[in-house]
Amino acid sequence: GNSVTQMEGPVTLSEEAFLTINCTYTATGYPSLFWYVQYPGEGLQLLLKATKADDKGSNKGFEATYRKETTSFHLEKGSVQVSDSAVYFCALRYNFNKFYFGSGTKLNVKP
Amino acid sequence: SAVISQKPSRDICQRGTSLTIQCQVDSQVTMMFWYRQQPGQSLTLIATANQGSEATYESGFVIDKFPISRPNLTFSTLTVSNMSPEDSSIYLCSLSGTRVDEQFFGPGTRLTVL
Repeated sequence: GNSVTQMEGPVTLSEEAFLTINCTYTATGYPSLFWYVQYPGEGLQLLLKATKADDKGSNKGFEATYRKETTSFHLEKGSVQVSDSAVYFCALRYNFNKFYFGSGTKLNVKP
Repeated sequence: SAVISQKPSRDICQRGTSLTIQCQVDSQVTMMFWYRQQPGQSLTLIATANQGSEATYESGFVIDKFPISRPNLTFSTLTVSNMSPEDSSIYLCSLSGTRVDEQFFGPGTRLTVL
């Protein structure tokens, strides 16, 4: 079956610190992988995606590489800002645009 | 990108009542989806709603509890029936974009059942 496992939060960092949020998946076939972000009081927004092995998705300084050998899609950012405080969801797409989401990781960035 | 609106944005309801959530899209889409996000948890797909056919429900969700309508290509409703406190969640509608792997989510309806 399909599943997504991501590190539990909350993650608390100081501004300009390096961020890694781990995400691993189990899937049949070759799913597309996504990171969504949910800012306080707002809806889900697509942050980045990768559709095949070794693809790197990037946006707003965030990056994630689709690693088939380790079934991982870890989210990284070199220098976080207070405005990055949000909940981050790793997800995979299966069966014609149905999504399976991880449990979400809350990030708190302190000035 | 598609613009998705939901009504109501939030509501507080009494146990045993029902609430209908509306989802309006600014463009015509074939497939719409309804998700639930329980407090502190991830999103779970409830059902897929295609225009002109009955909704397809995921394991653990049934039509009697979550009836869905899809009268046209820009609109859908989800009803949460005979509510209990366990139904307190954020309910989101979602749709696929025109490009592969493009998916959009509505702002959500925050439901609290007392």
